[in-house]
Amino acid sequence: NAGVMQNPRHLVRRRGQEARLRCSPMKGHSHVYWYRQLPEEGLKFMVYLQKENIIDESGMPKERFSAEFPKEGPSILRIQQVVRGDSAAYFCASSANGQGNTEAFFGQGTRLTVV
Amino acid sequence: AQTVTQSQPEMSVQEAETVTLSCTYDTSESDYYLFWYKQPPSRQMILVIRQEAYKQQNATENRFSVNFQKAAKSFSLKISDSQLGDAAMYFCAYINWRGGADGLTFGKGTHLIIQP
Repeated sequence: NAGVMQNPRHLVRRRGQEARLRCSPMKGHSHVYWYRQLPEEGLKFMVYLQKENIIDESGMPKERFSAEFPKEGPSILRIQQVVRGDSAAYFCASSANGQGNTEAFFGQGTRLTVV
Repeated sequence: AQTVTQSQPEMSVQEAETVTLSCTYDTSESDYYLFWYKQPPSRQMILVIRQEAYKQQNATENRFSVNFQKAAKSFSLKISDSQLGDAAMYFCAYINWRGGADGLTFGKGTHLIIQP
């Protein structure tokens, strides 16, 4: 049973380009979270999705950032017109039902570097 | 909104000794879950131990145990018989019983160094 798979592991983008980060949850999991980790910081919640629905995007910047979790395929975190401040590690976690007592499993993250 | 505070940016311990990492949190909820995650240089977030707020008994997982003080909103992690493989960043995290919205709230982490 494969764990949460994120790709790519490393992504380099020039300022103004688009970044697309992918997350395939564990088999059977339909709840996905995205977190951002800045250097020397803990993870910060960005968005919570279920299949085809955004449940909570309160942690996601209003502009340039979007997320989706289609019926088929991985969840995508999309960052348009990237800036240097977007450089960070982005983590995806999945769980079976999204409840607090259910363990969320993390992927290994995507390190985004904006040059 | 809930907050999680880890006041020790870095801790150092001799191999085979015991170390305690501190964590305090703030919430208005009465039912929630607390976690300690380990993040080695590989960046993988690994769940070390978790505690349900409604349980008075402190959680234990092999060499890892917690001291959960609900009234004081304190949740420290004790690592006994420290091993070189324990070296990592350790993050304390909180989630309310509903889970979902807001996800996990993390502290800033404690960098644990194991001296051989």
